[in-house]
Formats: sequence, C-alpha cells, structure tokens
Amino acid sequence: DTGVSQNPRHKITKRGQNVTFRCDPISEHNRLYWYRQTLGQGPEFLTYFQNEAQLEKSRLLSDRFSAERPKGSFSTLEIQRTEQGDSAMYLCASSPALASWGTQYFGPGTRLLVL
Amino acid sequence: AQKVTQAQTEISVVEKEDVTLDCVYETRDTTYYLFWYKQPPSGELVFLIRRNSFDEQNEISGRYSWNFQKSTSSFNFTITASQVVDSAVYFCALCGGSQGNLIFGKGTKLSVKP
Repeated sequence: DTGVSQNPRHKITKRGQNVTFRCDPISEHNRLYWYRQTLGQGPEFLTYFQNEAQLEKSRLLSDRFSAERPKGSFSTLEIQRTEQGDSAMYLCASSPALASWGTQYFGPGTRLLVL
Repeated sequence: AQKVTQAQTEISVVEKEDVTLDCVYETRDTTYYLFWYKQPPSGELVFLIRRNSFDEQNEISGRYSWNFQKSTSSFNFTITASQVVDSAVYFCALCGGSQGNLIFGKGTKLSVKP
C-alpha cells in the first residue's frame, strides 16, 4: 500500500489569493479527515468525509474554507481570500474503517505560508 | 468536553536513558480510543499505538511500552534505552463519538542527545 499523499508539499501565496490542496488517501479507505496544525500545537480537526459524503463541516475555520471529495477518492481543501493567519500545516488522514474509531494514517502535509 | 493534556512541553535525555511521556485525557464517553503518534522533524505524523477504553492491559513493542490507567485517565508512553532517532514530537490523541476525529494534546518534544 502506498501511503497518504498530499500536494503540494509547500505553498507560498499572497494575502487575498485562493489556494487549493489535494489529498490522495490510501486506496479503499472510506474515511478522510482534514486537520490544521500551527506551530507548537497539535493538529486541529477541520472536516471529514465518509466516502463522498462530507459528514462534518461545522469545524471549518470560516466560510472561506471548503472541502470536497468527489467520487469518494481524492479530496481537495480550498481556502479563498487567504489571510496571514491561515499560515499553517494542513494535514490529511485516511482511515479504513466505516466505524468511527479506525486508526488514521496521515500524509506528509501541505505547509502554507501567506505573505 | 473532550480534552488531552500533555504537561511536558520538552524533555531532553541522554542516549540510553529511559523516558516517560505523560498523557492525561478527559471525556464523558464510555467508549473511546487513545492513540500515540510520532512527528519527526520531517513533519509526517507516524502512528504508534491505538488502545480502546475497555482494554487496560499494558502493551510493549520493542523499546516502547504504554501504561493505560482508566482510574487516573492517563495513557503514558515509555521509551526504554532511548536512541537519537527517537528525537521527535510525540502526540497523544483521543477519539470518541461518531465522527471519529482525533483530539490531540499539544505534544511533547523529545530530544535525545548522543
């Protein structure tokens, strides 16, 4: 099995620009999670999908954040009108189980810097 | 509310010393899971262990061992005979409820010096 992959690994953008990150989960993993990690903190949950259904999005940080998982395979996380406070590591994880407590396997993350 | 506390922000040891990383959690769920992840300087979170709330047996895997005590809501992690390659940030996490999202502590940065 290849692991979870994320692209790009690094992104530098100017304030006000839109950015999109992609996550490819381990194949056949049903659940896909997005987290944000700022310096010196643990990852913070943003949203998750079970197959193509987004089952929780109230934890997205603002309405500038949105995520999709078309066809239940890869997922994208978009941030519109970026702000300097959006600078962080964005992590994706996937889990094989339909149950909520399956082990989550993380990708290498996308590090975003907003100038 | 669910919460994970890792009171040790940074620990520094000399190679071959044993080290214990503390984790205390809060939850009202009767069924939950606890995890430990390692985050080396490269940044990728590496899964180490998953333990459910009904299994309080201690676990040993090589130089790693975990002590789960429900009575004190703790899930501590011990590395025996530490090595330089163990240097990383270690996160304890809690999973409960139907969503399955992980609630992480702030992490403990472990530095193992030769």
